[in-house]
Amino acid sequence: EVQLVESGGGLVQPGGSLRLSCAASGFTFSDHHMDWVRQAPGKGLEWVGRTRNKVNNHTTEYAASVRGRFTISRDDSKNSLYLQMNSLKTEDTAVYYCTRLNWNDDFDYWGQGTLVTVSS
Amino acid sequence: DIQMTQSPSSLSASVGDRVSFTCRASQSISKYLNWYQQKPGKAPKLLIYSSSSLQSGVPSRFSGSGSGTDFTLTISSLQPEDFATYYCQQSYSTPGFGPGTKVDIK
Repeated sequence: EVQLVESGGGLVQPGGSLRLSCAASGFTFSDHHMDWVRQAPGKGLEWVGRTRNKVNNHTTEYAASVRGRFTISRDDSKNSLYLQMNSLKTEDTAVYYCTRLNWNDDFDYWGQGTLVTVSS
Repeated sequence: DIQMTQSPSSLSASVGDRVSFTCRASQSISKYLNWYQQKPGKAPKLLIYSSSSLQSGVPSRFSGSGSGTDFTLTISSLQPEDFATYYCQQSYSTPGFGPGTKVDIK
């Protein structure tokens, strides 16, 4: 059974940093591109970024709203995905989801989400 | 960036109704369009991929159609568990989601 479990969310002050983790199981993690998607309270879904699979050298891509502040990484030996968030702003407050990109370019599995609150 | 819009933003319907709602892309995305269902407090769930392919385990009352810029999600007979928000997402380029259509009980 495919499982994605996020952790690391919490309350942080504006300008602060936080690192989210996503533990994957039930599939060959290194084969898949992995993405982060977020959802601000009461709002829609926003794509945050992607790390590609091993074959694609783990290259990354980011939404304009987080580029230069957020860094996505992965450790295939630990089946883990990470999101390092620096220079956090109040508008980064959201539930952050870890997702698996399927071969049809859809997000077929999602974690339960972890809440990040940026507030003084 | 490709912009996604959805209409209506919300609709009220009854159990057993046939409901359809649309998603429009700002430029042609061929059939690179996916649909997700989200219930309050839960992660989104993939329903339809590549415009019209039903994800494994999703009831056959859900169907999708369209190509280019205009897409439709149809629920043939609305069930109590279908009251939720539905998002479209283009995978033609940098992923982008529509703002969602909320389906609630009339």
